[in-house]
Amino acid sequence: AQSVTQLDSHVSVSEGTPVLLRCNYSSSYSPSLFWYVQHPNKGLQLLLKYTSAATLVKGINGFEAEFKKSETSFHLTKPSAHMSDAAEYFCVVTEGQGGKLIFGQGTELSVKP
Amino acid sequence: GAVVSQHPSRVICKSGTSVKIECRSLDFQATTMFWYRQFPKQSLMLMATSNEGSKATYEQGVEKDKFLINHASLTLSTLTVTSAHPEDSSFYICSAAYGLAKNIQYFGAGTRLSVL
Repeated sequence: AQSVTQLDSHVSVSEGTPVLLRCNYSSSYSPSLFWYVQHPNKGLQLLLKYTSAATLVKGINGFEAEFKKSETSFHLTKPSAHMSDAAEYFCVVTEGQGGKLIFGQGTELSVKP
Repeated sequence: GAVVSQHPSRVICKSGTSVKIECRSLDFQATTMFWYRQFPKQSLMLMATSNEGSKATYEQGVEKDKFLINHASLTLSTLTVTSAHPEDSSFYICSAAYGLAKNIQYFGAGTRLSVL
């Protein structure tokens, strides 16, 4: 069975400082992993995805994530936070192309001026 | 590309009435559409998966008679919340996928349902 755990329910950073949102997963097979961002009362926007190619994945808006199989992790990072990055972030795991998306509990990112 | 439109964005209704939410893929043909429910400060929970022209597959614990899903065309799926009650108040989000890669989903902006 698949599962995903986002280790922090809330992360607060200052504008211009690095962002780290942590995600660990559990999967019986080779997983596909995604990060989505959700702004208040909005739908989800795909930031990036890992589907068994390069382990370091670059996404939109300067975000990137590294797939580490030995640590079963897929942490999301950004070198310098911007005020517009304040939102809810979801780590998602799925097995294969036809598998259901399993969402983590979400991490709320706050960015202080 | 790959835009999904969801309507309405917000709806307030009286207890006992039915509410229909539409999900449209604007620039692609969605072979599969998904309906999720999100409670405040919580994650998304898959309610059902629908393929065009066939009956929806509901997740365990989701009442199919209460949450009616229709996927009559490759660009439109509807979710009808029948005889809505206050506990049905939630944020409902649809997504759409095409081809075999059902894990690549494009999400609508969601519908905030408030039942009085």
